[in-house]
Amino acid sequence: EVQLVESGGGLVQPGGSLRLSCAASGFTFTINWMSWVRQAPGKGLEWVANINPDGSEKYYVDSVKGRFTISRDNAKNSLYLQMNSLRAEDTAVYYCVRGIDQWGQGTLVTVSP
Amino acid sequence: IVMTQTPLSLSVTPGQPASISCKSSQSLLRSDGKTSLSWYLQKPGQPPQLLIYEVSNRFSGVSDRFSGSGSGTDFTLKISRVEAEDVGVYYCMQDLQLPTFGGGTKVDIK
Repeated sequence: EVQLVESGGGLVQPGGSLRLSCAASGFTFTINWMSWVRQAPGKGLEWVANINPDGSEKYYVDSVKGRFTISRDNAKNSLYLQMNSLRAEDTAVYYCVRGIDQWGQGTLVTVSP
Repeated sequence: IVMTQTPLSLSVTPGQPASISCKSSQSLLRSDGKTSLSWYLQKPGQPPQLLIYEVSNRFSGVSDRFSGSGSGTDFTLKISRVEAEDVGVYYCMQDLQLPTFGGGTKVDIK
């Protein structure tokens, strides 16, 4: 069974940092593109970043470029999102996504004074 | 690529059909002949679940009441007979370029 379990969310002040993690199991992590997608409270879905299987290609939505960094550790079957210079508008549930077909339950990030 | 869904919401009598439209600002046709358009359902309190990929292919375990069609820039998701478990928000998504989602269509039961 495919499992994606996010962690690392929480309350952080504007300008602060958080590192999200996603533990993957039940599939061959090393051959899959992985993404982070977020959903602000009561809003729609926004793709944030993705990374290719060996980590050599990374892409970001314009609003997070220069602030967020996606990475992966294939030895640990884990995906990460380092978020710096956080803003109120980054408040959202962040989902870890395998390719286009499997989503984790999400972790809530709240940016507030 | 901008994705535009209509309607914003839909109230359907159980057993009746429903249809959702999704339009993209440019063609989603890939060089391999396939089209990068997917549909998701987000049930209340849950993450999105994949229903349809590449316009018309049902994902594993998805009911055959769901079907997708379209080409180029115009796409449709149809539910042949709506059931109570189909309630939620439906999203289209393109991944021809950096992925973008439609704004969502909220479906509820009359």
